[in-house]
Order: sequence, then C-alpha cells, then structure tokens
Amino acid sequence: DTAVSQTPKYLVTQMGNDKSIKCEQNLGHDTMYWYKQDSKKFLKIMFSYNNKELIINETVPNRFSPKSPDKAHLNLHINSLELGDSAVYFCASSQEQGFEKLFFGSGTQLSVL
Amino acid sequence: GEDVEQSLFLSVREGDSSVINCTYTDSSSTYLYWYKQEPGAGLQLLTYIFSNMDMKQDQRLTVLLNKKDKHLSLRIADTQTGDSAIYFCAESRMIKAAGNKLTFGGGTRVLVKP
Repeated sequence: DTAVSQTPKYLVTQMGNDKSIKCEQNLGHDTMYWYKQDSKKFLKIMFSYNNKELIINETVPNRFSPKSPDKAHLNLHINSLELGDSAVYFCASSQEQGFEKLFFGSGTQLSVL
Repeated sequence: GEDVEQSLFLSVREGDSSVINCTYTDSSSTYLYWYKQEPGAGLQLLTYIFSNMDMKQDQRLTVLLNKKDKHLSLRIADTQTGDSAIYFCAESRMIKAAGNKLTFGGGTRVLVKP
C-alpha cells in the first residue's frame, strides 16, 4: 500500500481553469504538507496542516486553497491557473514535530498551457 | 533554497567516493537532514544528524557537521549507479506557534558514471 498517495500524477490544463490535487496518507500521521518544486528542482513549502488545522501558510497567492477534511487528507485547490503555476506539487506527511522525517507522495506534475 | 545552499552538480565514477556539501544558516536547528530524490519520485529521508554531533556513520553514508561554520556534508563511499539522484540537505526552523518548518537546499544532482 502506498503510504502517501496523490492524484492525479499528471495534470495538463489551460490558463484560467480551476483544478484540484488530492492527497491521502495511510500512516496515521498528524501533520501534512504541500510543497512546490520548480523546474530547477528548488523545493518550497506552501502549507502545512496539523490535525486538520492550518499551521504554516507561506507566501502563496490566494488562488491556492488547501482543504483538510480529516487528518488523513489534504487537498489543494487552485483557482484561475497561471503559466507560472506549472511545477511539480508534492504532498508529504510526518508524525513528530521536532524530528522532520517526511514521507512524500510521488508528485503531481502540473502543466499550464 | 533561500538560506540553505548546495552545489548544483557532482559527477563521480562508480566505486569512487562522493562528497556533497551544504551550508545552512539557522544555528538553532535540532536536526539536519539529507533527503534523496530519484527521477519521477518524491523525496526520501536518507539520513540525518543531531545538532550536538559532529559525525554520523550509517553503512556507506557518513555525515559531517561543522556547527561553527554551519557546514554539513554527506559522503557516499563506493558510489553505485543506483546512487544517481538529487540530494537535498535540509534544516529545521522553529516557527513560533507553528512548530517546525523544514527548509531545503536547492539540491545537488549526482551522476554516477560506470
């Protein structure tokens, strides 16, 4: 069983559309994250949730809205997609605060045309 | 990464040792980490070091930490073709009222040649 699974793996869409990426973890972890990896492989945190509560919200446009219906799921909804949103988006989860062993999903490659 | 810096690329022959270097800025990090990313996959924790240690050995991996210079390195002995990947160092920063945040370096792409 995949520990952190995200769907879809590839997402190709037009500028201006709204899209969602889903993430689920079956590890029983309390904390989940969204990271964005750009074309140069630079990885930056976007959001983190602990037990469905938002605890980190980096400088991300309001067009990005995370939603955590329960602690095993953290979805990412993006409104009015722009060309610059093209990247690989990674979901991750961890159990302990203070020791950041993150388990990553395999990524969603988003291409905005 | 913003304040976590690594060299971009390393080419090494199979069987040789690889050394990947990283500099960081937050001296309060409790742990420092090395993550590995293989093509088309997410990152996986490879190894880590507690900040009050200066060396940690784990099979073919040796982590060296120089806290004074804020310098972290990862040595891979007897490098294999399966070690070809991107290696990210990371520090953990305390965010007030929000717990810790992992900040990654920009990644070092390691290419192992047969």
